[in-house]
Amino acid sequence: QKEVEQDPGPLSVPEGAIVSLNCTYSNSAFQYFMWYRQYSRKGPELLMYTYSSGNKEDGRFTAQVDKSSKYISLFIRDSQPSDSATYLCAMRFPGRRALTFGSGTRLQVQP
Amino acid sequence: DTAVSQTPKYLVTQMGNDKSIKCEQNLGHDTMYWYKQDSKKFLKIMFSYNNKELIINETVPNRFSPKSPDKAHLNLHINSLELGDSAVYFCASSQGTSGYQETQYFGPGTRLLVL
Repeated sequence: QKEVEQDPGPLSVPEGAIVSLNCTYSNSAFQYFMWYRQYSRKGPELLMYTYSSGNKEDGRFTAQVDKSSKYISLFIRDSQPSDSATYLCAMRFPGRRALTFGSGTRLQVQP
Repeated sequence: DTAVSQTPKYLVTQMGNDKSIKCEQNLGHDTMYWYKQDSKKFLKIMFSYNNKELIINETVPNRFSPKSPDKAHLNLHINSLELGDSAVYFCASSQGTSGYQETQYFGPGTRLLVL
């Protein structure tokens, strides 16, 4: 079993839809959680960073962490074709620099 | 200005060859990383250097040898390339505090294809 599980998709939605992307993890020692966006043939870029349970909002993006259930989510409101990319969840142990990634969910937003 | 850059972007080579990938960051960060992304998009840490010192060395064949001449550069040398080494290799850098605000910035990747 992988430490971080993520549905690979693809997930196809119409423009303007609300998108929900999710990851589950098995090790409760993870404390820091990130969402990266990766466009085709590009490097991952950081979207959201959180280290506590609850919600964190940034524009159209909301990151949600539920440590008791070992579950994190990324919500995208009013999705746009430019949001079409692979979304990778990542997490980190305190005091350790390396990130552990999910396998990524490919999102396609249809105009 | 590119924050984290890698060369080359593409590398096609024969099995058994030796090749190097270079990475440079101009963010003033202390820590640099190599990640490998396989065909299923799974990103996995390989190595990390902090101020030229190796601090993370995951279970990677010893054909892979990282070298950090200074804290702005991290190179990856691969000996005796195998078909299974085909992947995209990403360099990343971070401030290196390990604190809760630690953020990693990724380069554009080097696509390696071993024939």
